[in-house]
Amino acid sequence: DQQVKQNSPSLSVQEGRISILNCDYTNSMFDYFLWYKKYPAEGPTFLISISSIKDKNEDGRFTVFLNKSAKHLSLHIVPSQPGDSAVYFCAANKRGSEKLVFGKGTKLTVNP
Amino acid sequence: EADIYQTPRYLVIGTGKKITLECSQTMGHDKMYWYQQDPGMELHLIHYSYGVNSTEKGDLSSESTVSRIRTEHFPLTLESARPSHTSQYLCASSRTGKYQETQYFGPGTRLLVL
Repeated sequence: DQQVKQNSPSLSVQEGRISILNCDYTNSMFDYFLWYKKYPAEGPTFLISISSIKDKNEDGRFTVFLNKSAKHLSLHIVPSQPGDSAVYFCAANKRGSEKLVFGKGTKLTVNP
Repeated sequence: EADIYQTPRYLVIGTGKKITLECSQTMGHDKMYWYQQDPGMELHLIHYSYGVNSTEKGDLSSESTVSRIRTEHFPLTLESARPSHTSQYLCASSRTGKYQETQYFGPGTRLLVL
């Protein structure tokens, strides 16, 4: 039973437009959420995180929104750039646990 | 910038061979992790360590073993490789702190067992 779901395996956007990547979770005990970016044959790179006490966190072109009542979070990238093309993983953690639970990832393609 | 290293980056090996995947970090992180990932799938935790001489199994059952004799070093060993072990192996580390932890990943080892 997947606790973290990324229902869109892929997303294609035009350079300069907004990319919106979505993630849903089922475990209400999760209180810390992270987004990672991964290129093929490389390790995931940490992008941005958000604690459950917030509903928004922004870092440059990246913004993460958290809707606790819907158990949903999203990553917005604006403006999108071709170098953003990668697989994006959503991950969740609950306080006191060392374990991150990952979604299956969404492959983002940004077209020039 | 995360300073976590994995060697080898790629390994092609025959069935039955013993292999050790190396992972080192220079950030002084006390916690280290091994994940396994197949294409199009989520990362699965196979081992983790709270610190020196501490190792625990993760959520995904694995025939591999790990050791943590030094803080910075967390090698993973397969005594007898099989084609089912073909996968990408990712090492990560984090620091125990006041706030919830962010795990930082190495570049991974892509293993192919023939």
